[in-house]
Amino acid sequence: QVTLKESGPGILQPSQTLSLTCTFSGFSLSTYGMGVGWIRQPSGKGLEWLANIWWDDDKYYNPSLKNRLTISKDTSNNQAFLKITNVDTADTATYYCARIDGVPSFDYWGQGVMVTVSS
Amino acid sequence: DIVLTQSPVLAVSLGQRATISCRASQSVSISSINLMHWYQQKPGQQPKLLIYRASNLASGIPARFSGSGSGTDFTLTIDPVQADDIAAYYCQQSRESPFTFGSGTKLEIK
Repeated sequence: QVTLKESGPGILQPSQTLSLTCTFSGFSLSTYGMGVGWIRQPSGKGLEWLANIWWDDDKYYNPSLKNRLTISKDTSNNQAFLKITNVDTADTATYYCARIDGVPSFDYWGQGVMVTVSS
Repeated sequence: DIVLTQSPVLAVSLGQRATISCRASQSVSISSINLMHWYQQKPGQQPKLLIYRASNLASGIPARFSGSGSGTDFTLTIDPVQADDIAAYYCQQSRESPFTFGSGTKLEIK
């Protein structure tokens, strides 16, 4: 079955770089049409799409954060990564990774990882 | 960017029909393919895919959930509403990048 799990630092200070890892199983990011996306959600608020990476290494970013985001993948180890540079308190949120199917929709989601930016 | 507009709250009685709407700032359809999807998020949980491409039920989702619409106007219907359906519901488009979400509709029980 398909599973995804996010991991991250938990807490970091303003201006640091946030590094997130999505470790997944049940599918391969080398399969045609597959992708992984990152979405975040501040506490009590809605969902914000951040970035997608596809099987062919094509990448898309939310333009409102594009200069700060880098998405990548390690196909052989079934992982996807997201880096956000120069974080501030507005980046405090739960971060989710999700599989993108051929629809394309986010058909499987990880449980999310909470990230707090605080001095 | 394609902006998706949802009403923030909908209150319905148990056993009644709930109709949740989502309006897009421009068409999210390509030919006859409607690239609008719906997710359910219960408190403390990750979102779950309910409906894909406007009207297709995702795997394992009960048949009392249904979706309709095309172009810019889409609807998620829950009939009949059960207590377990208390959640936030989000629409999301994949017509073009950025893949935007609506702001969500919280379903409450009257």
